[in-house]
Amino acid sequence: GENVEQHPSTLSVQEGDSAVIKCTYSDSASNYFPWYKQELGKRPQLIIDIRSNVGEKKDQRIAVTLNKTAKHFSLHITETQPEDSAVYFCAAIPFGNEKLTFGTGTRLTIIP
Amino acid sequence: DTGVSQDPRHKITKRGQNVTFRCDPISEHNRLYWYRQTLGQGPEFLTYFQNEAQLEKSRLLSDRFSAERPKGSFSTLEIQRTEQGDSAMYLCASSLVTEYFNEQFFGPGTRLTVL
Repeated sequence: GENVEQHPSTLSVQEGDSAVIKCTYSDSASNYFPWYKQELGKRPQLIIDIRSNVGEKKDQRIAVTLNKTAKHFSLHITETQPEDSAVYFCAAIPFGNEKLTFGTGTRLTIIP
Repeated sequence: DTGVSQDPRHKITKRGQNVTFRCDPISEHNRLYWYRQTLGQGPEFLTYFQNEAQLEKSRLLSDRFSAERPKGSFSTLEIQRTEQGDSAMYLCASSLVTEYFNEQFFGPGTRLTVL
């Protein structure tokens, strides 16, 4: 089955700086890669996703890049703000499958 | 609130007791998923339904676990003879499949503590 690794497990950045979180996946059939943000005690919420026919996707301060050859994808947050502090999870899902396989999460702390 | 809802939000039980959780998906969604999340980990897939049919179960779902979605709307997850290792957040998600995949929307979860 799919295995997703995520790094780093914790990340602290100064407000206004950029944050990058990286994930690798094992199943070459995976073709959908969402990123979820989970604040303390709250539900995971999708913040951005990318499909395998696209190399990069951007939504305001958030961007995701995908390298299918290397089987890794990354989340980029620019101009970080205190409300970006949360745990971020990457996930992958192979075509025809239904279960999301999540990474272990990255706790992002924005230092004011 | 038109999102996914779960009940109860918290459940404390003694080892050996049975518990049942309920999930109400977004009304037009045809797929419903159950995940389990332990502290410091990402959610792990347990099972999913397409309408009322349970189509896949994880190996994590032992014989003590059973899930139903009798009318293709809400779903229940029952754990029999609970063990301390069952303590976790149980998350429900739903999606509307109109292409080969669509976004899964998560509920707030039910936090289970087994004493």
